[in-house]
Amino acid sequence: QVQIVESGGGVVQPGTSLRLSCAASGFTFSSYAMHWVRQAPGKGLEWVAVVSFDGKNNFYADSVKGRFTVSRDNSKNAVYLHVNSLRPEDTAVYYCARFEFRSHKDNSYQAAFDVWGQGTLVTVSS
Amino acid sequence: DIPLIQSPSFLSASVGDRVTITCRASQGISTHLAWYQQKPGKAPELLIYEASALQGGVPSRFSGSGSGTDFTLTISGLQPEDSATYYCQQLSNYRVYNFGQGTKLEIK
Repeated sequence: QVQIVESGGGVVQPGTSLRLSCAASGFTFSSYAMHWVRQAPGKGLEWVAVVSFDGKNNFYADSVKGRFTVSRDNSKNAVYLHVNSLRPEDTAVYYCARFEFRSHKDNSYQAAFDVWGQGTLVTVSS
Repeated sequence: DIPLIQSPSFLSASVGDRVTITCRASQGISTHLAWYQQKPGKAPELLIYEASALQGGVPSRFSGSGSGTDFTLTISGLQPEDSATYYCQQLSNYRVYNFGQGTKLEIK
């Protein structure tokens, strides 16, 4: 079945780095863009980053631009989020999500995050 | 960024009630809006995409409408399992995919 599993979270000190991983299965991974979304404790959802299906195009939320890097390895059905210079405000559950995108002949399209992982918790604390 | 404002932030209703959550975008986003349900300790789940299309497996008591800047999520005939936080999300800008601040729904 279609599944996404995140890993790599943990307790880290401010200023350090971490690599989060997202393993996908049950679908043609190389056909889908993938997103990272985070949720601080007791707060709402915050979109973080997207990597295109081929890894050539990436976009980031302003709050993480310059510190986070998203990449993927289609041979391993995996997406990564390299998080650098971590701050206490980066403490959150980090979710990986599949981007379902369908374009139509009239240039219209349909899009949504249709499959999510269970998340991995990153705690930044001294 | 295209800010999204959801209202209300908190909603309390009884089993069988009909409830409506609204989401307003700061600029027109056509129908490129999705709704998600999130229960405590769980990942979000897609309910509605393209403002009004029901995701497969989602009960028909959930419905969405709207276009441009104003959108609504309606739950007709509330069930106890609908207690959750609901988020809208805009998908009209390929560089950013922000969410509304969320609406927490409590079943009395």
